[in-house]
Amino acid sequence: GESVGLHLPTLSVQEGDNSIINCAYSNSASDYFIWYKQESGKGPQFIIDIRSNMDKRQGQRVTVLLNKTVKHLSLQIAATQPGDSAVYFCAERVGSASKIIFGSGTRLSIRP
Amino acid sequence: NAGVTQTPKFQVLKTGQSMTLQCAQDMNHEYMSWYRQDPGMGLRLIHYSVGAGITDQGEVPNGYNVSRSTTEDFPLRLLSAAPSQTSVYFCASSTRDRGKMNEQFFGPGTRLTVL
Repeated sequence: GESVGLHLPTLSVQEGDNSIINCAYSNSASDYFIWYKQESGKGPQFIIDIRSNMDKRQGQRVTVLLNKTVKHLSLQIAATQPGDSAVYFCAERVGSASKIIFGSGTRLSIRP
Repeated sequence: NAGVTQTPKFQVLKTGQSMTLQCAQDMNHEYMSWYRQDPGMGLRLIHYSVGAGITDQGEVPNGYNVSRSTTEDFPLRLLSAAPSQTSVYFCASSTRDRGKMNEQFFGPGTRLTVL
């Protein structure tokens, strides 16, 4: 399997419960904030993004919250399922450039 | 569509050797990027491109070169491999369309070991 994430923080959640994954960012000039999911042995997969002038955005079973005052981003997953087991990364699209910079990751583990 | 393809899947090099990691996409995406992922480090941006003929540096560009002669291809060249470049390399692409430009599609990765 993938050796990524040996030192990543782990969040353990009971199947069916809601998961909240947090991320702190430092660049106030970022245009968008993005969440990706990475399953073992695979490349990251886009989940949802939020523009910097918004504070909440909902998708299918996921909600992203943005608190610019404290530079904090969170991803909420409703009714967590075994297929949600993965490493979750936050990322930022830096304003004038078109580059996407990844932040810290969190491993989500589901208890049956 | 094949999406984003990367070759090779695995590669072992000796210190000082050079090689090119290949990346191709068939979605007509303008944006392409290269990342490296070390254990416990997340992904770090090496180089990126906003279109054919245009490239720019990311967070960790030293020791790598890129070119973008076509929309489809974005090869990454290691000039003189070092053990510190042992990593998994991911290529990604996305459209320029404003509503979807954050939806990067990633390739399966190339696992590189430098001895």
